[in-house]
Amino acid sequence: QKEVEQNSGPLSVPEGAIASLNCTYSDRGSQSFFWYRQYSGKSPELIMSIYSNGDKEDGRFTAQLNKASQYVSLLIRDSQPSDSATYLCAVWRTGNQFYFGTGTSLTVIP
Amino acid sequence: DAGITQSPRHKVTETGTPVTLRCHQTENHRYMYWYRQDPGHGLRLIHYSYGVKDTDKGEVSDGYSVSRSKTEDFLLTLESATSSQTSVYFCAISVASGIYEQFFGPGTRLTVL
Repeated sequence: QKEVEQNSGPLSVPEGAIASLNCTYSDRGSQSFFWYRQYSGKSPELIMSIYSNGDKEDGRFTAQLNKASQYVSLLIRDSQPSDSATYLCAVWRTGNQFYFGTGTSLTVIP
Repeated sequence: DAGITQSPRHKVTETGTPVTLRCHQTENHRYMYWYRQDPGHGLRLIHYSYGVKDTDKGEVSDGYSVSRSKTEDFLLTLESATSSQTSVYFCAISVASGIYEQFFGPGTRLTVL
């Protein structure tokens, strides 16, 4: 079983819509959870961190964490063409190791 | 950008040759990591370091070695490059700010012919 699983997509949404990205993780000992955005040919960029159950909002981005279900999601409101990228989910647990999903490709259609 | 640079940014080499990639950081972070990223596999940890001369293996360490003689530099060496090591290599650091967050360098694209 993979540590972190994401739907690979591609996910396409029209401009202005809400994009919903999902991630599940296998180890209940995971303590912190992250979303990265990666443009083609670029390095991953951290956009959201969350470690408590519930929602965390930052601008147009909302991260949602449900530890009981081992589920993390990212909502992007008012999606823009500039949001088109691959989104990586990552988790951290004691031992200072991070585990990454393979990413979901998002395309926002103007 | 967390003050991380990688060199070289691009390299083409031949099978069997040694290759060293360098990661340099300017902010004295304790933890440094080397990942490779391949289509369908995502980011996979090669080695990481938790201090000068303190390193440990990751998920895909075979064929790779690392060294960290100074806080700011973390070197990744392919002793004898193979075509399967063609990949994009990312260096990262982690920062403790309540929780540990990880930040990436710009990457090195390595092609082994």
